[in-house]
Amino acid sequence: NAGVTQTPKFQVLKTGQSMTLQCAQDMNHNSMYWYRQDPGMGLRLIYYSASEGTTDKGEVPNGYNVSRLNKREFSLRLESAAPSQTSVYFCASSLTGRTFNQPQHFGDGTRLSIL
Amino acid sequence: LAKTTQPISMDSYEGQEVNITCSHNNIATNDYITWYQQFPSQGPRFIIQGYKTKVTNEVASLFIPADRKSSTLSLPRVSLSDTAVYYCLVGESGYSTLTFGKGTMLLVSP
Repeated sequence: NAGVTQTPKFQVLKTGQSMTLQCAQDMNHNSMYWYRQDPGMGLRLIYYSASEGTTDKGEVPNGYNVSRLNKREFSLRLESAAPSQTSVYFCASSLTGRTFNQPQHFGDGTRLSIL
Repeated sequence: LAKTTQPISMDSYEGQEVNITCSHNNIATNDYITWYQQFPSQGPRFIIQGYKTKVTNEVASLFIPADRKSSTLSLPRVSLSDTAVYYCLVGESGYSTLTFGKGTMLLVSP
């Protein structure tokens, strides 16, 4: 049982390149999330999907797009990468979007560097 | 969402009990308190959640006073493997999103 799987684990891009980060969960969860974490900072929510077919902006959505491909998969796309998007990206899922008694399960992150 | 304040860092030794306090003065009636743990190079992991009084599981205890303006995560007899960042979050019980602050970096030494 893998939980939340993110690919790739590491990536280096040049400014202006595009990139899609992949996330898949095998827990039959309805809600999925994308966060970024910068050095010495907490996680900031980029986008989330409360259920299949819906997506909503989080705290820092600019420069990103997302696709909830199906119930299992939620991808994050950088259309034109910028050095400010250098970060560690975490995908998470939870059974529903409720915060009580519905802990979020996180992947191990994608470390993205943009030169 | 209620803002939380917690110490930036704490130091402890193996075998000691560690208490990390989080302040959330503006907590709302429907808000729950949740703690996550994050090891280096890993995503956060849920530890414990509560609304009031005391909650205990196999990993930790969570103490919440009657006014709910603060909460304390208690880790009994810590080991080196408890070295991690601990996040206190406050969120609505309904459909909502989580806001992670900077957390508390706990360093456990031999």
